[in-house]
Amino acid sequence: EVQLVESGGGLVQPGGSLRLSCAASGFTFSSYAMSWVRQAPGKGLEWVSAISGSGGSTYYADSVKGRFTISRDNSKNTLYLQMNSLRAEDTAVYYCAKDREVATITEIDYWGQGTLVTVSS
Amino acid sequence: DIQLTQSPSFLSASVGDRVTITCRASQGISSYLAWYQQKPGKAPKLLIYAASTLQSGVPSRFSGSGSGTEFTLTISSLQPEDFATYYCQQLNSYPFTFGPGTKVDIK
Repeated sequence: EVQLVESGGGLVQPGGSLRLSCAASGFTFSSYAMSWVRQAPGKGLEWVSAISGSGGSTYYADSVKGRFTISRDNSKNTLYLQMNSLRAEDTAVYYCAKDREVATITEIDYWGQGTLVTVSS
Repeated sequence: DIQLTQSPSFLSASVGDRVTITCRASQGISSYLAWYQQKPGKAPKLLIYAASTLQSGVPSRFSGSGSGTEFTLTISSLQPEDFATYYCQQLNSYPFTFGPGTKVDIK
């Protein structure tokens, strides 16, 4: 059974940093691209970032480029999102997500339960 | 970046109704479109990928069509468990944008 468990969310002041983690199990982690998607309270889904299975290719939304860094440790089956220079508008539930297909970046077929990040003074 | 619009943004329907949601892309995306369903407090669920391919385990009352810039999600006979918000997502080019969502509510 595929499981994605996020951690690391919480309250942070504007300008601060936070690192999210996502522990994956139930599939060959290194074979799949992974993504982060966020959802501000009461709002729609926003794609944030994606990373290839090897970690060699990364992609970002314009809204987070230069501030967020996606990475993965395939030996630990863990996905990360390092978030720096946080702003109030980054407040959201952050979902870790697995791509549907092996060896390419595609749509998402599994999602974690989400972790809430609140940026406020 | 490719922008997606969805219409309607809100839809009130009854059990048994046929429901159609449209997603339009700001430029051609071939068939690189997925549809998701999200219920309150839950993570989204993949319904359709490649514009018209039903994800495993999804009821056959859901169907998708379209290519290029215009796509539709159809629910042939709305069931109580289908009341939710539906999002399209383009996977033609980065960033992989989502549409703003269509909320399907009970009439």
